[in-house]
Amino acid sequence: DAGVIQSPRHEVTEMGQEVTLRCKPISGHNSLFWYRQTMMRGLELLIYFNNNVPIDDSGMPEDRFSAKMPNASFSTLKIQPSEPRDSAVYFCASSFRTGFSEQFFGPGTRLTVL
Amino acid sequence: GEDVEQSLFLSVREGDSSVINCTYTDSSSTYLYWYKQEPGAGLQLLTYIFSNMDMKQDQRLTVLLNKKDKHLSLRIADTQTGDSAIYFCAESEDSSYKLIFGSGTRLLVRP
Repeated sequence: DAGVIQSPRHEVTEMGQEVTLRCKPISGHNSLFWYRQTMMRGLELLIYFNNNVPIDDSGMPEDRFSAKMPNASFSTLKIQPSEPRDSAVYFCASSFRTGFSEQFFGPGTRLTVL
Repeated sequence: GEDVEQSLFLSVREGDSSVINCTYTDSSSTYLYWYKQEPGAGLQLLTYIFSNMDMKQDQRLTVLLNKKDKHLSLRIADTQTGDSAIYFCAESEDSSYKLIFGSGTRLLVRP
């Protein structure tokens, strides 16, 4: 398996533009997570899907952020409009829940909002 | 709420042992994890320990858990330059999907 795939790896955009980040989880995994990593706040869980259904979106910063999972093999995180403070590395992770949460992380998308 | 704390930085000489420490506050923690993040990459699970264990050894890695003090440590024997990375401690409860991560410890291995 190729692991969790994220695209793009790097994104530079201007304030006010729409940004869409993409994730393909590992085949057979039924849980998907979006994280944001910054120097100031560390690693934050934004949203968690189980069987394509959003279970916990309490970490989504504000209404400018939205996430979808239309099927088991694809998820998007959208920021509209983007702001400079959204600059961060965004990780997608997936897991097949057994007795504990071994989450497999993608390589991340480094987002820079100018 | 739950909190996981780690020191920010550790520097060791190649061949020495490294010990990375972590403290957590959640007494309901069931699983404790160590993840490794190399530059430009995502986090990778290194090892984990159940809360009813005191120690776990896996090749060069030794995890020690002091549940009374809520203290977790990761010892890397014979540290190599390839071990230079950020190491994250994390905890979760039995029935929870949520991992609570520490801020990460940057390990620098000097030749």
